[in-house]
Amino acid sequence: AQKVTQAQTEISVVEKEDVTLDCVYETRDTTYYLFWYKQPPSGELVFLIRRNSFDEQNEISGRYSWNFQKSTSSFNFTITASQVVDSAVYFCALSEAFQGAQKLVFGQGTRLTINP
Amino acid sequence: EAGVTQFPSHSVIEKGQTVTLRCDPISGHDNLYWYRRVMGKEIKFLLHFVKESKQDESGMPNNRFLAERTGGTYSTLKVQPAELEDSGVYFCASSQGWGYTDTQYFGPGTRLTVL
Repeated sequence: AQKVTQAQTEISVVEKEDVTLDCVYETRDTTYYLFWYKQPPSGELVFLIRRNSFDEQNEISGRYSWNFQKSTSSFNFTITASQVVDSAVYFCALSEAFQGAQKLVFGQGTRLTINP
Repeated sequence: EAGVTQFPSHSVIEKGQTVTLRCDPISGHDNLYWYRRVMGKEIKFLLHFVKESKQDESGMPNNRFLAERTGGTYSTLKVQPAELEDSGVYFCASSQGWGYTDTQYFGPGTRLTVL
């Protein structure tokens, strides 16, 4: 069965520190996509990144980077030189090709607080 | 381009009452999804429309929940009668294409409180 685990419930760091949010997943499929979403205080879920199971290249976008490792079933997210505006709840999610399913399976979310 | 919108942003009702949530997807998106997050837990899938047809409603908790998408545009999710355990945030999302590869874009959610 598919499952996403974000073991860190809450993280609090001081501004400018680097921080890594962990995501571990379980899937029965060899073909799947992984996602990260950000939920700022305003409430909406903001799409950050999508990564397919055949592409293990790390992705960097400004201060954000993602490390996908199939060997450990992990898709971790690092924020470099964190800023107060990065404070939010971050969700990791999985979608599988199995039987054409399109639903996203989410982790529990990690609440990140960046203190000035 | 407008994003996914949801109405109301917050609803407080008494147990046994009826509530209807509305979602307007991004224009041109045939796929519409409903998800729910109850307090402190993960966001869980409820159902998926392709245009006006229900493609997957495997996540609907029981028959007190009724979702519709007449005309393939906006969708409503009705809870009747509401129970205490229905409290949570209800998210709507939409995507343009079909398949597990397509990115779902989410609305701000409706926070439902059942007293």
